[in-house]
Amino acid sequence: DAGVIQSPRHEVTEMGQEVTLRCKPISGHNSLFWYRQTMMRGLELLIYFNNNVPIDDSGMPEDRFSAKMPNASFSTLKIQPSEPRDSAVYFCASMQGRVNTGELFFGEGSRLTVL
Amino acid sequence: QKEVEQNSGPLSVPEGAIASLNCTYSDRGSQSFFWYRQYSGKSPELIMFIYSNGDKEDGRFTAQLNKASQYVSLLIRDSQPSDSATYLCAVRTPHAGGTSYGKLTFGQGTILTVHP
Repeated sequence: DAGVIQSPRHEVTEMGQEVTLRCKPISGHNSLFWYRQTMMRGLELLIYFNNNVPIDDSGMPEDRFSAKMPNASFSTLKIQPSEPRDSAVYFCASMQGRVNTGELFFGEGSRLTVL
Repeated sequence: QKEVEQNSGPLSVPEGAIASLNCTYSDRGSQSFFWYRQYSGKSPELIMFIYSNGDKEDGRFTAQLNKASQYVSLLIRDSQPSDSATYLCAVRTPHAGGTSYGKLTFGQGTILTVHP
């Protein structure tokens, strides 16, 4: 199996630009999570989906962030407009089965730098 | 209060020693508990999970859970330099409404260094 695939791996952009991060979960996994990791705040949950439906987006920092999952094999996280404080590594992770028993499989992350 | 707190570290132990990593959580409704390891520049990977009070052993790793004290720990016996990484405690809490959904909340992580 290919694992969770994220793109781009690295993104450098200027403040005010739109950023779109993409994720393809492992086939058959029905839960998808977006996390952000920084040295200061650690690994923060932004939003998670179950069967393509957003369940909890309370971690999304503000209206500049949005996430979609149009089908079981694709999700996007969009930041518009981007700000320097959004610089972080963004991880997508997927899981199969009941939440209380499943292992979370992480992608390699998208490292975002906003200048 | 943070939902999941870990001992701040960094933790340095000599090769062959026992490394002890600790974690507390705030939500008594949390049902399952995980330890992930993250090497520098890599993504987290699962080491162990535990659901019931007591100890769970897997090779050199032992996870301990005390729900009354809301405390989870990870012991690494015979520590090796290859164990040097950041260890993340994660807690799964069901979604409000009683469904099987839930979120996985991570602690800040403890950096472990095992020196030869």
